[in-house]
Amino acid sequence: QSALTQPASVSGSPGQSITISCTGTSSDVGGYNYVSWYQQHPGKAPKLMIYDVSNRPSGVSNRFSGSKSGNTASLTISGLQTEDEADYYCSSYTSSSTRVFGGGTKLTVL
Amino acid sequence: QVQLVESGGGVVQPGRSLRLSCAASGFTFSYYGMHWVRQAPGKGLEWVAVISYDGNNKYYVDSVEGRFTISRDNSKNTLYLQMNSLRAEDTAVYYCAKDGFCSSTSCYPNHFDYWGQGTLVTVSS
Repeated sequence: QSALTQPASVSGSPGQSITISCTGTSSDVGGYNYVSWYQQHPGKAPKLMIYDVSNRPSGVSNRFSGSKSGNTASLTISGLQTEDEADYYCSSYTSSSTRVFGGGTKLTVL
Repeated sequence: QVQLVESGGGVVQPGRSLRLSCAASGFTFSYYGMHWVRQAPGKGLEWVAVISYDGNNKYYVDSVEGRFTISRDNSKNTLYLQMNSLRAEDTAVYYCAKDGFCSSTSCYPNHFDYWGQGTLVTVSS
């Protein structure tokens, strides 16, 4: 049950695009299309941004998109806005029927 | 609208027990699996446990296996987490979360689509 690997931090300027990676194994990210992404602002509960690798819940901006290749999933945010500054976490279903999160990535909008 | 409200957190001594509750409303509770997720102060999210819609299947992170028990009462729309033999490293905000959603034609499980506001558990002497 090792955590998925995410970069500790990424940054970008308003209007730019950034990508956050999430690397696991064939027992989690690579084995199932059950990768999801969450946004968390300080002191708040996480919010679902992407589910099943690339699906956006209703109400989430289409500036957020997800993809997967092999054991690595990615979250891309285009047209960065100041309100996107937050922590982002990936999560995956695992072969043990458990779930696992990534360590989290702090996004700074410069 | 979906609401998840946790309660039961507080300060507890190492080795003691605590039971968390999560009151659910705004959806058919008995249709969905439910999770507990925790976040230690200043740290990332850690998945803790999941229970199936009917309570028959339960899974845990290794660090709490044998100490924590997840359960539910579908007649009361409530999820529970019984925490025994608490350790300092269990100190965290504990969130309950709903497992996915169902449309009129399909279900989409294995993600956390709604979260509660969290309840803080502090294990300290």
